[in-house]
Amino acid sequence: SQQGEEDPQALSIQEGENATMNCSYKTSINNLQWYRQNSGRGLVHLILIRSNEREKHSGRLRVTLDTSKKSSSLLITASRAADTASYFCATYNTNAGKSTFGDGTTLTVKP
Amino acid sequence: DAGVIQSPRHEVTEMGQEVTLRCKPISGHNSLFWYRQTMMRGLELLIYFNNNVPIDDSGMPEDRFSAKMPNASFSTLKIQPSEPRDSAVYFCASSLEFGQGDYEQYFGPGTRLTVT
Repeated sequence: SQQGEEDPQALSIQEGENATMNCSYKTSINNLQWYRQNSGRGLVHLILIRSNEREKHSGRLRVTLDTSKKSSSLLITASRAADTASYFCATYNTNAGKSTFGDGTTLTVKP
Repeated sequence: DAGVIQSPRHEVTEMGQEVTLRCKPISGHNSLFWYRQTMMRGLELLIYFNNNVPIDDSGMPEDRFSAKMPNASFSTLKIQPSEPRDSAVYFCASSLEFGQGDYEQYFGPGTRLTVT
């Protein structure tokens, strides 16, 4: 099964609202990355947070990591219609030697 | 840089035919990944290379699938013979380095494969 699991599976909000997506994982990790995928396109990297970091910001994105709970959250503030996409977390574990992607959260931002 | 280039973008083939998907990674990137994405199974890592050498092919579903990377600028994923259940979007991705996973992966646009 996938290492990371996103929650919720789907999220629909109005433009201007904040969107929060969560990712839970099972084993210890070295870092966690968030990616976005627009319909019919490849994934695009958004942000990376290392296991010794608790929070990271990039523009309207805020990512938190709680290694004790094995979970991460992605917050998109002041959402825009262009933020409509699927969002995936990917966890990297040194023992596994590779990143594993979750099933993704589909975000719809209504104008 | 043009990014990761994949060809073809769409492939429709009949069951039993051989399918070859191609990928050109970003110049200077040492790692290359092949993924498959379906609604049922999500995004699956099939195989990845580092410095043209296959590191982990445990995600390759069966012997019908094979991948090669003859040089740093080209990789192929071959399915022979193809089956309807192979229908999916296949992504190629590359990253600067392999190792601690600190480097982001750059994804190509994908090849949408339909096997009838």
